Order: sequence, then C-alpha cells, then structure tokens
Amino acid sequence: SQQGEEDPQALSIQEGENATMNCSYKTSINNLQWYRQNSGRGLVHLILIRSNEREKHSGRLRVTLDTSKKSSSLLITASRAADTASYFCATAYTSGSRLTFGEGTQLTVNP
Amino acid sequence: EAGVTQSPTHLIKTRGQQATLRCSPISGHTSVYWYQQALGLGLQFLLWYDEGEERNRGNFPPRFSGRQFPNYSSELNVNALELEDSALYLCASIPSHLAGPNTGELFFGEGSRLTVL
Repeated sequence: SQQGEEDPQALSIQEGENATMNCSYKTSINNLQWYRQNSGRGLVHLILIRSNEREKHSGRLRVTLDTSKKSSSLLITASRAADTASYFCATAYTSGSRLTFGEGTQLTVNP
Repeated sequence: EAGVTQSPTHLIKTRGQQATLRCSPISGHTSVYWYQQALGLGLQFLLWYDEGEERNRGNFPPRFSGRQFPNYSSELNVNALELEDSALYLCASIPSHLAGPNTGELFFGEGSRLTVL
C-alpha cells in the first residue's frame, strides 16, 4: 500500500501552545496536502506544497516538506480550542491518479 | 457559490440490501472522487469519475460501483451490503485539469453516513 503514516495518532495541548504533526510517505510525489476534518464531517483543504517547495505558510499554519526523507510536518502556532479536529496529510504520488490519505492525527486543544 | 452536496446525510440499511448515494459537484467541476472512511480511520479511495467516464477505482469489490451523469453529478451504488460497509462516504470534486497524477485541492461534501445492521 502507498498509504502514508502520520504521527502522533493523537495530540492534546493547551490553548496558546504550538502543535506539530508529522506525515511520512512511500514514493515520489507531485504534491502533498493537509486537510482538516471536524468530528466526522467533510474535509477542508488547508494547504498544498509542491515537491519542489520546502516550506509554505498560511496564517498560523506552517508546512515543511523534506523529499529526501519523504516526510512533511504541519505546525499550528498559538493554537485555539477551535483548532480541535482531525488533521490528514494527502499525497499526490507521481505514479497515481488521486490523493492518498494518511490515518490522521486527532488534535485536542484544551481551553 | 454552492459547495459539494451529498445525499442522503444518513442512511440505514440491513445486510444484503443495496444503497445509493448521490453527489453534486461544485458548478464547473467535472471530476468527482469517492472515498470511504470507516469510523476513526483514514480515507480509502473508491472511485474517480472525470467527464462522464470512470478513470480509476480503488481496491474494493465489484459490488461497489457508480456512474457520472451528463451534468457531472455522480452516484455511488453498494450492492449486497455487508456490516463492514458501515462508514462515512465522502465525495469530492475538482476541475478536470487539476485531477489526475498532480491532483490539486479537493473540495469535499459533508458525507453520507451509511449504517448497515
């Protein structure tokens, strides 16, 4: 299976702290994306990073990509209770034709 | 602009029955992806339709099938339902030129939760 892996599976932090989630994947990619899912609802796109990019920012989000290690990380700074959700990485493999999603990280931000 | 809409929101069936789930993509999006998400797990790719044609399918048995209509809406059919088919079924749409090997941002619906008793 080409499915990537995310860690940790679950993360619990206090409001104001930073949250870091990691994603590893198997083979070469065209891009890697992060999505958020609130409590069993639809997924919302957060950020896309291309294989030739190393870092990308969007508001309080920072994504890094290390193609030599086949890994990515999502950093949420100054977290809020409203950031509580599941976060998924998704990879567009060069050999594939769709996004392959990881198992997700469940983030809980305590007020 | 309306987002991706899915119906029904919830569906309860018994083993052996058939389920039909529907998806309307964002206006102008001609490509539709279907994913299955079992409780507490990640998304498993089911099917990809693009401009009316099935382009790819995931590792699911043939009793999972679907189609895409001329207006680009899509239908997912699950025959001979089994208990393990209980899941959230998510539909996502994207413009055709952003689908495929370098898939761009997917726009997801809220999903249809299928429960098989």
